Amino acid sequence: QKEVEQNSGPLSVPEGAIASLNCTYSDRVSQSFFWYRQYSGKSPELIMSIYSNGDKEDGRFTAQLNKASQYVSLLIRDSQPSDSATYLCAVNGGSGNTPLVFGKGTRLSVIA
Amino acid sequence: GAVVSQHPSRVICKSGTSVKIECRSLDFQATTMFWYRQFPKQSLMLMATSNEGSKATYEQGVEKDKFLINHASLTLSTLTVTSAHPEDSSFYICSANGGNGYNEQFFGPGTRLTVL
Repeated sequence: QKEVEQNSGPLSVPEGAIASLNCTYSDRVSQSFFWYRQYSGKSPELIMSIYSNGDKEDGRFTAQLNKASQYVSLLIRDSQPSDSATYLCAVNGGSGNTPLVFGKGTRLSVIA
Repeated sequence: GAVVSQHPSRVICKSGTSVKIECRSLDFQATTMFWYRQFPKQSLMLMATSNEGSKATYEQGVEKDKFLINHASLTLSTLTVTSAHPEDSSFYICSANGGNGYNEQFFGPGTRLTVL
């Protein structure tokens, strides 16, 4: 059974701080890793994809992947109240017609 | 990014009626789509994988005769909740594989179903 683990939170950070969200996965052969943001009452939105070890930066977001440790993280710099949401880590190890395995999500609260 | 739409966004129906939800990929072809259900304050739950031109694959515990899935074209999958009951009230969300080889899934905006 493929599993993706996330701390459920809530993670509270002050406005302007760096928020660090972490995720571990069980399937060593996983190839694709994603972070989704879900606001309350809305559907998930893809914010970052990462496929190789190291860091990938996109604006205020940085995804980090360490396949040896089976660990994925998302850093949000200069956190804003509008970043308050649930962040879902997702992993795919199969072909395009296999579903992603989602973690249960970490709730982030950015305090103004 | 790829755009996925859903219709309707919200539906209220009486117990015992059937409700059809459409999921469309607007700017790409999706051979595979996925249907999820999410209850308030709970995690996404995968219901089924919908493959164009073939039968859907349902997750364990999901009644295929109650949740009918049809993926008749490369841009449209439908979910029909048959004989809906109040316990079927939930947020139904579809997603589609973007087709770029990286298995990115893009979600539709979701359909909120309320069964009275």
